[in-house]
Amino acid sequence: EAGVTQSPTHLIKTRGQQVTLRCSPISGHTSVYWYQQALGLGLQFLLWYDEGEERNRGNFPPRFSGRQFPNYSSELNVNALELEDSALYLCASRIWGGGADTQYFGPGTRLTVL
Amino acid sequence: AQTVTQSQPEMSVQEAETVTLSCTYDTSESDYYLFWYKQPPSRQMILVIRQEAYKQQNATENRFSVNFQKAAKSFSLKISDSQLGDAAMYFCAYRIIRSGTYKYIFGTGTRLKVLA
Repeated sequence: EAGVTQSPTHLIKTRGQQVTLRCSPISGHTSVYWYQQALGLGLQFLLWYDEGEERNRGNFPPRFSGRQFPNYSSELNVNALELEDSALYLCASRIWGGGADTQYFGPGTRLTVL
Repeated sequence: AQTVTQSQPEMSVQEAETVTLSCTYDTSESDYYLFWYKQPPSRQMILVIRQEAYKQQNATENRFSVNFQKAAKSFSLKISDSQLGDAAMYFCAYRIIRSGTYKYIFGTGTRLKVLA
């Protein structure tokens, strides 16, 4: 069974640019979570999508947005990049229902903003 | 506010020895899940162990076990017979079990070094 995949692996952008990160969940998983992992700050919750809808978002400005597609894959968009957006962005998927309450993480996308 | 605190930024353990990573959390909820995740240098985060708050028995997974103290809001991870492959960042996480609320809160992590 294929795990959670993310693309690209690495990205280098400059301030003010826009970036799109992609995530494909494990087959059968309907929920996708996005996290920002900045150095020394652990994982900060960004967004949660389920069944194509945004269910919750963390304390991030509106320039962080995303969507989930009918096949449950997801995109994270970041507009007007700032230096402090440099981080590892992790995607996780989770299957709905029952006691299956475990997130499975992708390898992440390393974003560097210059 | 729901928070997860890992007070040990870094720990070291000798190979084959036992180490305990600490985690405390703050919540007013009574039903929740607790997790320990491992993030090796290759970055892929994997689940180590999970605990349902309503279960009094501490969870175990092979060499990994937890000491769950609900009243103290403490959830420590014990790694027995440490191996070089255990070297990683370990994150403690928490999620309440309230309908419609599936947000996970993570701690800042503990970097574990295993010495040969």
